[in-house]
Amino acid sequence: DQQVKQNSPSLSVQEGRISILNCDYTNSMFDYFLWYKKYPAEGPTFLISISSIKDKNEDGRFTVFLNKSAKHLSLHIVPSQPGDSAVYFCAASPLNAGNMLTFGGGTRLMVKP
Amino acid sequence: EAGVAQSPRYKIIEKRQSVAFWCNPISGHATLYWYQQILGQGPKLLIQFQNNGVVDDSQLPKDRFSAERLKGVDSTLKIQPAKLEDSAVYLCASSLGGGSSYEQYFGPGTRLTVT
Repeated sequence: DQQVKQNSPSLSVQEGRISILNCDYTNSMFDYFLWYKKYPAEGPTFLISISSIKDKNEDGRFTVFLNKSAKHLSLHIVPSQPGDSAVYFCAASPLNAGNMLTFGGGTRLMVKP
Repeated sequence: EAGVAQSPRYKIIEKRQSVAFWCNPISGHATLYWYQQILGQGPKLLIQFQNNGVVDDSQLPKDRFSAERLKGVDSTLKIQPAKLEDSAVYLCASSLGGGSSYEQYFGPGTRLTVT
């Protein structure tokens, strides 16, 4: 039972354009959502997060949007750079459950120069 | 600031053998996590420690997996005996606290291949 799903295993965009990575969840108890970025042979690194009381959070080139009614979140990267090429994981944590993250399967982003 | 350290980085064993992984978290981080990441999937939490106590181990296959964090600092994850389906990257992470607002910092992982 996948509670967090990333339906696109890969995405290819041109440098300078927008990258949009999507994530869907099924557990209505999730209230904190995060995006992690992973390079080969390294552990995931935290990118950006959003609480369920917000619908948008921005950090530089990265913006996360949350649609609670649709149980959907997305990560926008503008403008995309070749160094953004990595695997992106969406993760979610339920209210009052400590820091127990449930991860999606990941989306491999390739930014072409 | 030194990151999360893990060793070994790679391990190849035959099925039914035993294996152990070691993790040293970031200094001062009270919470430590072990994740299993099977190829093509996202990390799955196996166990979470708060200091030297277990917070959650509901997804740890306790018939063959064990983990300890005796002095509330470094931790060991053991598999005995290993099965083919245990082939995965084992990631250790740590955070200052156990609440969801605390960022988890991941180590580079140990890639286990069971033949």
